[in-house]
Amino acid sequence: DGGITQSPKYLFRKEGQNVTLSCEQNLNHDAMYWYRQDPGQGLRLIYYSQIVNDFQKGDIAEGYSVSREKKESFPLTVTSAQKNPTAFYLCASRDRGFSPLHFGNGTRLTVT
Amino acid sequence: SQQGEEDPQALSIQEGENATMNCSYKTSINNLQWYRQNSGRGLVHLILIRSNEREKHSGRLRVTLDTSKKSSSLLITASRAADTASYFCATDAMNNNAGNMLTFGGGTRLMVKP
Repeated sequence: DGGITQSPKYLFRKEGQNVTLSCEQNLNHDAMYWYRQDPGQGLRLIYYSQIVNDFQKGDIAEGYSVSREKKESFPLTVTSAQKNPTAFYLCASRDRGFSPLHFGNGTRLTVT
Repeated sequence: SQQGEEDPQALSIQEGENATMNCSYKTSINNLQWYRQNSGRGLVHLILIRSNEREKHSGRLRVTLDTSKKSSSLLITASRAADTASYFCATDAMNNNAGNMLTFGGGTRLMVKP
C-alpha cells in the first residue's frame, strides 16, 4: 500500500541536542511538507519541498533544517536553536497541482 | 500565510444529531478542503470543493462554499460516536506563488456522545 511513514512515533531528547525526524513516502509525489501542531491547535508550516534538492521555508522555519536528496525522503532536523521544540510533527505529500495532502501519522517530540 | 478560522472551536452533540462546522478564509482560492484528525494521528482528507462549486456531497458529509463571503461549512448528518475527531479546513490559494501549499485553520473538536 502506498503511504507516508514517519518514525519514530515518540521521541524524547534532552535540551541542547539536535534530533532528526524521518519521513518517507512511496506515493511518487513531488511535493513534501513538514507541519508542527501544538495541543489543541491547527497546523503551522515549517518547510516544504516541491522537487528534489530544493526546499523553501514555511512560516516557522527558525530552529529547523531539512534536506531533500531523494524524492521519497524529507527528513526534518530540530536543532538546539529551536526555543520550544516539544510538539507533534506531521509530514505530508501531494501530487502536482491542487490535489489533497496525504499525511503520515506523526512524531511526538518531547524535549526536557 | 493567513489561516482560515473555524467555528465553533469545540462542539458536543448526541449520536444521531447533525454536526455543522464553519470555516472562513481571507484570500481568493482555487479550492477548499476538509480534513479529519483522530487524536494523536495524522490528518485524513475528507472532501475537496473547487471555487466554482457551491455544494458537494460524500456519504454523510455535505460541504458548501460561498466565495462571496469567503466561507465554507461542513455538515455531518446522523453523527456516530466514531465521528469524534478534530476537523480542519484548508485552502489552496488561487495564486499559489507560495509553493503549492495548503493553509490550515485552527480546527473544530467534535465530540459525539453515544
